Amino acid sequence: DAGVTQSPTHLIKTRGQHVTLRCSPISGHKSVSWYQQVLGQGPQFIFQYYEKEERGRGNFPDRFSARQFPNYSSELNVNALLLGDSALYLCASTQSGTGSTEAFFGQGTRLTVV
Amino acid sequence: SQKIEQNSEALNIQEGKTATLTCNYTNYSPAYLQWYRQDPGRGPVFLLLIRENEKEKRKERLKVTFDTTLKQSLFHITASQPADSATYLCARGAVSGAGSYQLTFGKGTKLSVIP
Repeated sequence: DAGVTQSPTHLIKTRGQHVTLRCSPISGHKSVSWYQQVLGQGPQFIFQYYEKEERGRGNFPDRFSARQFPNYSSELNVNALLLGDSALYLCASTQSGTGSTEAFFGQGTRLTVV
Repeated sequence: SQKIEQNSEALNIQEGKTATLTCNYTNYSPAYLQWYRQDPGRGPVFLLLIRENEKEKRKERLKVTFDTTLKQSLFHITASQPADSATYLCARGAVSGAGSYQLTFGKGTKLSVIP
C-alpha cells in the first residue's frame, strides 16, 4: 500500500505569489491534516479536514486555506507569500477524525520563498 | 498555554549505550503522548503511543514511560546504533472544542549515536 504522498517535493516561489500543495492520504483514511515545520522547530498544526469538511484550524492567517476532495485528497493554498512562509509543509493522514491514533506523515513539501 | 517541552536540543551518545530523551508538559494533563522519529528532510514517523494510565510501553529496543506526577515522559533507546541517529519528537494529541484532532509537538531532540 502506498503511504501518504505529497507533491511537489520542493518549490521555490517569490514573495507575493500564490502556492498550492497537494496531498493524497493512505487509502481508507478519511482525515487529512496539514502542518508547517520551520527549521529547528516541531511541526505546527494548520488545518484538519475530515469527510471533506474543515474540522479545525491552527493559529495561521487567512492567507492559508485548504480543501478536501471526494477522494479524500487535499490541497493547501497559501496566498501573498511572505519570506516567513518558507518551511517544510507536512500532510498527515489518520484513519478517523478523532481519538488517540497515530498519524502517518508524507515526506513533505519544502517551500522556499525568495 | 499548553506546551510540550523537549529540553535537550541535541544528545550525543556512544554506540551501544542507552539514549534517554525527555518530554515535559505544562498546564494540562494529556490523555496520551506520542513519540515520532524524523530524519532530515523527511516527515515524522510514528514510533510509540503511551496513555496516561500506562506506566511503560515497549517496542523492540524502544521504551517509553509516562509519569503524570512529574508531568514527564521518557523515551529510551537501548543498545543504540548509528542508524538511530535522528530527531525525536514528542507530541500530544487532543480533540479541540470544535472537534478537530491535532498534534502539538515539542521542538525535538537531535540524537547522534557515535560509533
